[in-house]
Amino acid sequence: GESVGLHLPTLSVQEGDNSIINCAYSNSASDYFIWYKQESGKGPQFIIDIRSNMDKRQGQRVTVLLNKTVKHLSLQIAATQPGDSAVYFCAQDAGGTYKYIFGTGTRLKVLA
Amino acid sequence: ETGVTQSPTHLIKTRGQQVTLRCSSQSGHNTVSWYQQALGQGPQFIFQYYREEENGRGNFPPRFSGLQFPNYSSELNVNALELDDSALYLCASSLAGLSSSYNEQFFGPGTRLTVL
Repeated sequence: GESVGLHLPTLSVQEGDNSIINCAYSNSASDYFIWYKQESGKGPQFIIDIRSNMDKRQGQRVTVLLNKTVKHLSLQIAATQPGDSAVYFCAQDAGGTYKYIFGTGTRLKVLA
Repeated sequence: ETGVTQSPTHLIKTRGQQVTLRCSSQSGHNTVSWYQQALGQGPQFIFQYYREEENGRGNFPPRFSGLQFPNYSSELNVNALELDDSALYLCASSLAGLSSSYNEQFFGPGTRLTVL
């Protein structure tokens, strides 16, 4: 069945270090992938997206890498800050439809 | 802030009751998607409305229904509530054409529904 899963439920990093959050997906028909950040009591916040015709996209302090061969998506956060502490979700479109499939999330804890 | 608002913030209902949740989309957006997020899980797609018409549905029973109004605000209705319906209900608005899935979705803060 369709699934988007994450390898690590919790990731702890020292402030200033780089963070890498990984995600495996099963729907190879997806054209679009998104990373969301969700802080406690808030809705998911868009971070960065990538289309299937790309393998890397950079934003401000964030980079998304897409490896379609192994169906793997990762989010890299440079110089992690306390404000980055949140749950991060990867999501994918369900093969060109309106529906997004979300993973279960990874909690990022930034240690001072 | 995304400009997407939801009401109420929290709600407590009992099994068998009905509930209506509301969402105001971001100005200029014509599409609203609803998601259910159980505790510790990722959001699950319920359905999407585009220009007042349902534009796709996830694996949810018919007792989950919705509406979109001419101003693009939306309602989610759930009948015959069950304990497992307890979750955070999120709406997301976007500006999209029919069947387009590549437009950024802006999420509201959600409504926390507890069914006792």
